[in-house]
Amino acid sequence: DGGITQSPKYLFRKEGQNVTLSCEQNLNHDAMYWYRQDPGQGLRLIYYSQIVNDFQKGDIAEGYSVSREKKESFPLTVTSAQKNPTAFYLCATAEGLAGGVNTGELFFGEGSRLTVL
Amino acid sequence: SQQGEEDPQALSIQEGENATMNCSYKTSINNLQWYRQNSGRGLVHLILIRSNEREKHSGRLRVTLDTSKKSSSLLITASRAADTASYFCATTNFNKFYFGSGTKLNVKP
Repeated sequence: DGGITQSPKYLFRKEGQNVTLSCEQNLNHDAMYWYRQDPGQGLRLIYYSQIVNDFQKGDIAEGYSVSREKKESFPLTVTSAQKNPTAFYLCATAEGLAGGVNTGELFFGEGSRLTVL
Repeated sequence: SQQGEEDPQALSIQEGENATMNCSYKTSINNLQWYRQNSGRGLVHLILIRSNEREKHSGRLRVTLDTSKKSSSLLITASRAADTASYFCATTNFNKFYFGSGTKLNVKP
């Protein structure tokens, strides 16, 4: 089936540990995004990538890192520098840009819930 | 910030009634989209309206866009209990998507 797979669904981390959240897609989309959602809140953009081997910081990139070595994969690492990492993390994809403008919709994975103990 | 803001934050209605949610944003946009999120799940795209469009329909959904007021509304007609979810507007400016804080809709059977 075509779609976006995020893993793990639930993750517990001790303070001071780095953790990596996986996002894999088989939609052949160029653009991939990571969002953070806190309880009762909207989505805030962490990082995004429009093409392989290139990515840009979003609004809340501090304490996070990403890589885009393959078109299908866009893993997010939550580092120990992230002071309040407990949140719901959502990965999304889009077909890409047409003339520098994103004209389509976002497709979302089912999310990963990270809890710091 | 370009982030959209939805109003109301929460809405509770009876099944069969209409639900209206509003979204305001701050800067120019390429298009505006509405998404739905069931509790603990990912978001699902509902409808997209381009900056040069004023109204769009999809099934029981009706979206309007007023770029002069930088606002949009989502109307769900004849609501069902299964429509219970959070609804978010998202604005796009080139390659970024910005989301509001959402309207939590509860449809009572």
